[in-house]
Amino acid sequence: SAVISQKPSRDICQRGTSLTIQCQVDSQVTMMFWYRQQPGQSLTLIATANQGSEATYESGFVIDKFPISRPNLTFSTLTVSNMSPEDSSIYLCSVGRLDTEAFFGQGTRLTVV
Amino acid sequence: AQTVTQSQPEMSVQEAETVTLSCTYDTSESNYYLFWYKQPPSRQMILVIRQEAYKQQNATENRFSVNFQKAAKSFSLKISDSQLGDTAMYFCAFLLLRAGGTSYGKLTFGQGTILTVHP
Repeated sequence: SAVISQKPSRDICQRGTSLTIQCQVDSQVTMMFWYRQQPGQSLTLIATANQGSEATYESGFVIDKFPISRPNLTFSTLTVSNMSPEDSSIYLCSVGRLDTEAFFGQGTRLTVV
Repeated sequence: AQTVTQSQPEMSVQEAETVTLSCTYDTSESNYYLFWYKQPPSRQMILVIRQEAYKQQNATENRFSVNFQKAAKSFSLKISDSQLGDTAMYFCAFLLLRAGGTSYGKLTFGQGTILTVHP
């Protein structure tokens, strides 16, 4: 299994500001994934983070709004930029392994006021 | 693209009874995994059970079992002897396998079912 530490666990931010969420894994992984979970909703994939290359974004998500860094095989950050109340969600980091199981961080609950 | 549908937004069950959560999916692929994840109020996503599509035998994990109907693209979760700690949101998820049988963990989720277990 993989142990994922995600920070911060929650934050309340002013609209127009940015928040960077960190995801640290206890072992090297090829792919890291960032999901958004809007209140009472399912998880939607934002992007796949690859080490040493640009992230791959899903339809509806753009790099200017959600820049992602992946400096090494154990760490990634997701920034939520120029926030509005509609960005209030839980953001989850996930990693996958070749044995096909996915592991999740504990999530970041973001409230934009 | 794959889609996953959970048609039951909410379910409730009495403690010690059995409940079944429904999930259907759509794919043109033949090599994939299906999962049930549990998300309690702590927000942590917890793997409940996994089913490999190439296996005909239904997966079981203690009180949790699935009814996997590949032709019908159906994947329901049965929880026996329900406990108060089972109260959570449950997500059905699909994982497409790459050639060679590996995957990097990109999941497609259903809408979720809120399960409440009453004492």
